[in-house]
Amino acid sequence: EVQLVESGGGLVKPGGSLRLSCAASGFTFSEYSMNWVRQAPGKGLEWVSSISSSNKFIFYADSVKGRFTVSRDNAKNSLYLQMNSLRGEDTAVYYCARGVPADMGRYYFDYWGQGTLVTVSS
Amino acid sequence: EIVLTQSPGTLSLSPGERATLSCRASQSVTNSYLAWYQQKPGQAPRLLIYGASSRATGIPDRFSGSGSGTDFTLTISRLEPEDFAVYYCQQYGSSPFTFGPGTKVDI
Repeated sequence: EVQLVESGGGLVKPGGSLRLSCAASGFTFSEYSMNWVRQAPGKGLEWVSSISSSNKFIFYADSVKGRFTVSRDNAKNSLYLQMNSLRGEDTAVYYCARGVPADMGRYYFDYWGQGTLVTVSS
Repeated sequence: EIVLTQSPGTLSLSPGERATLSCRASQSVTNSYLAWYQQKPGQAPRLLIYGASSRATGIPDRFSGSGSGTDFTLTISRLEPEDFAVYYCQQYGSSPFTFGPGTKVDI
């Protein structure tokens, strides 16, 4: 059974940093892209970042580019999101999602974790 | 950036009725790389449709997707009580992989 479990969320002050993790199990992690999607309270879904299976393709939303860094450790079946210079508008539930390749650098998201809440507030 | 617009914002229907949800893109979506997701309150999104018209594993056949270019549709042929939720479209043909604002299907 595919499982994705996010952790690392919490309360952080504006300008602070946080590192999210996503532990994957039930599938061959190194064969899939992995992705972060967030959802602000009461709002819709916003794609944040994607990383291909071998790190060849890495993409970011403009809203986080230069502040967030996605990475993965295929040996540990884990995905990470390093978030720096956090702002109030980064407050959201952050989901990790498995990406199925439709093409090079293009993925749809077939399994999602339950999310971890990040709150940026003073 | 491809902007997705979903309509209507809210669809009020009854169980057994047909639901037709629209997703329009600001420019053509590469190879119809368009997905639909369902989200219920307090839950993670669930993949329904990918490639505009292919049902994901385990999705009932009352869900169908169609369209190409800039106009896409999700149809639920006969609404079941568990189908009342928010539905999002997403294009994954070009980065940023944008989502639409969602359509809420309620009773």
